[in-house]
Amino acid sequence: QVQLVQSGSELKKPGASVKVSCKASGYTFTSYALNWVRQAPGQGLEWMGWINTNTGNPRYAQGFTGRLVFSLDTSVSTAYLQISSLKPEDTAVYYCARETAGGTRDFDYWGQGTLVTVSS
Amino acid sequence: QSVLTQPPSVSAAPGQKVTISCSGSSSNIGNNYVSWYQQLPGTAPKLLIYDNNKRPSGIPERFSGSKSGTSATLGITGLQTGDEADYYCGTWDSRLSAGVFGGGTKLTVL
Repeated sequence: QVQLVQSGSELKKPGASVKVSCKASGYTFTSYALNWVRQAPGQGLEWMGWINTNTGNPRYAQGFTGRLVFSLDTSVSTAYLQISSLKPEDTAVYYCARETAGGTRDFDYWGQGTLVTVSS
Repeated sequence: QSVLTQPPSVSAAPGQKVTISCSGSSSNIGNNYVSWYQQLPGTAPKLLIYDNNKRPSGIPERFSGSKSGTSATLGITGLQTGDEADYYCGTWDSRLSAGVFGGGTKLTVL
């Protein structure tokens, strides 16, 4: 069965960086794009961008001003999200989500989420 | 401020029907497919509807989706207490070149 398993919660200080992993199983990793979505406490969903798991080409949502890096290690079917220069407002649950084969930005499988807390 | 507009909350009695609206514009809903997600408390979102009106395997027929112009609607019939959750619409915005979501609607089954 398809699974996306993310790394555990993180507590970081403002200005630090964090790297979240998303390990896929149960399907061919390079056949489906992966998206990243975050949810601040008590708030809605915010799309952060996506990565083509076949080419490794990332696309980032505006508003993150170069602080995001999406990467892959296809040998272990794992995607990574790195955020630098963390701010308190980056406190959120971060999800990886597999895009359906149709490429219409529907997300059929989600990781369990990784809570990143940014606090001094 | 979300690009897509949803009512903050809806409620209905068990067994009844409820609809949740999602309003956008020509750059998003008007020219792209809409999906709907259910988020139970403390869990990740779950895909309910994709490509406006298709249900993934395992999603009951009680859940339906439709789209007209720049608006979309999620319908849920035969409401159950287990349907209490937050519901989000989502789509692509061609002008922003970004995925966009509604602000979410909290469903209460009275």
